[in-house]
Amino acid sequence: GQNIDQPTEMTATEGAIVQINCTYQTSGFNGLFWYQQHAGEAPTFLSYNVLDGLEEKGRFSSFLSRSKGYSYLLLKELQMKDSASYLCAVTGGGNKLTFGTGTQLKVEL
Amino acid sequence: ETGVTQTPRHLVMGMTNKKSLKCEQHLGHNAMYWYKQSAKKPLELMFVYSLEERVENNSVPSRFSPECPNSSHLFLHLHTLQPEDSALYLCASSQESALNTEAFFGQGTRLTVV
Repeated sequence: GQNIDQPTEMTATEGAIVQINCTYQTSGFNGLFWYQQHAGEAPTFLSYNVLDGLEEKGRFSSFLSRSKGYSYLLLKELQMKDSASYLCAVTGGGNKLTFGTGTQLKVEL
Repeated sequence: ETGVTQTPRHLVMGMTNKKSLKCEQHLGHNAMYWYKQSAKKPLELMFVYSLEERVENNSVPSRFSPECPNSSHLFLHLHTLQPEDSALYLCASSQESALNTEAFFGQGTRLTVV
């Protein structure tokens, strides 16, 4: 089976850096995704990691350690529009995504 | 606009009603999914269709009945639902043959069962 854990809520200040952690235990592993979901909207793709290390994409970076079953999403230079839910998801067999509960990030002035 | 369109966006139905949710993708993908998103819970995978064949049914009650007539369309037929079935129902699609392809989600149907 799959088990994915991430914090329920986080608060950060505009302009700051925030790290959202995700740990997982899975019976198979093909890769880890991060999605962003604003209230009332569809989840949108942010990043994909399959090898250990850091993937950087503009203000967002994602890190993976397969041996530790651990990932984080790093958001730099936070903006108010970054307030959203951030979903960690793992693919096991095939391409079916199993999601964590999501981390609700609130960015404050 | 993600290339995945769901209708209706909102639906209120009684427990004795029959309704259907529709999903259409314009991305040329060969796999489609139904997810349920309830408050404070992770996205729950309900059904997976690959090349129009159902490949996964995650212990979903029979009051939910999926249909995939072709690779671009996916339906979720609903009948005799319970109030606890109220949730956001999300459709997604992906290219099954590629390992690192992300799933694209529709905007979802907000379902309220009264």
